[in-house]
Amino acid sequence: KQEVTQIPAALSVPEGENLVLNCSFTDSAIYNLQWFRQDPGKGLTSLLLIQSSQREQTSGRLNASLDKSSGRSTLYIAASQPGDSATYLCAVDNNAGNMLTFGGGTRLMVKP
Amino acid sequence: DTAVSQTPKYLVTQMGNDKSIKCEQNLGHDTMYWYKQDSKKFLKIMFSYNNKELIINETVPNRFSPKSPDKAHLNLHINSLELGDSAVYFCASSQRQQGKETQYFGPGTRLLVL
Repeated sequence: KQEVTQIPAALSVPEGENLVLNCSFTDSAIYNLQWFRQDPGKGLTSLLLIQSSQREQTSGRLNASLDKSSGRSTLYIAASQPGDSATYLCAVDNNAGNMLTFGGGTRLMVKP
Repeated sequence: DTAVSQTPKYLVTQMGNDKSIKCEQNLGHDTMYWYKQDSKKFLKIMFSYNNKELIINETVPNRFSPKSPDKAHLNLHINSLELGDSAVYFCASSQRQQGKETQYFGPGTRLLVL
């Protein structure tokens, strides 16, 4: 059974800092890994998807890496802004009907 | 032009009642899902539905039944509601694309069982 863990559970940083969010998973036979953002009281927005054959994906100030063999992914956010404040969720697809297994999330607060 | 929509947004009901949540996607996707997010914000898959193939998370009670009248809709019916069913329910959809199935989520339905 796939288990996904995210560390830290919460993070507070001053504006402008670069930061790294961590995600680990127990079953390395994944189909893809996705990072989402969830704002309070809202749904999830997909940020990046890394296929199992890929090592990283970039979108603007976001960079996600994947190391399947060690069961880890990181989300790097460059030059953080207050608007980045949200919960970031990592999710793994083991190709079982494309049903995602989510981590517990990292609540990020970027202070102006 | 909302991609994935859910109704209602809020639902407050008594224990023992039967209720339905509706989901519609206008993205032309062939797969739809239901997720449950509990009070601790932990998100868990409930169902995946693709072209009349239903895949059920074995931990979901059989009081929960998804119904798909067509490819663009996946409704969730809940019988005999219990206090523990209180949560936010999210619908999502994706298109099979060989490893690139980004999932698009609806805004959620906040269910409170009293």
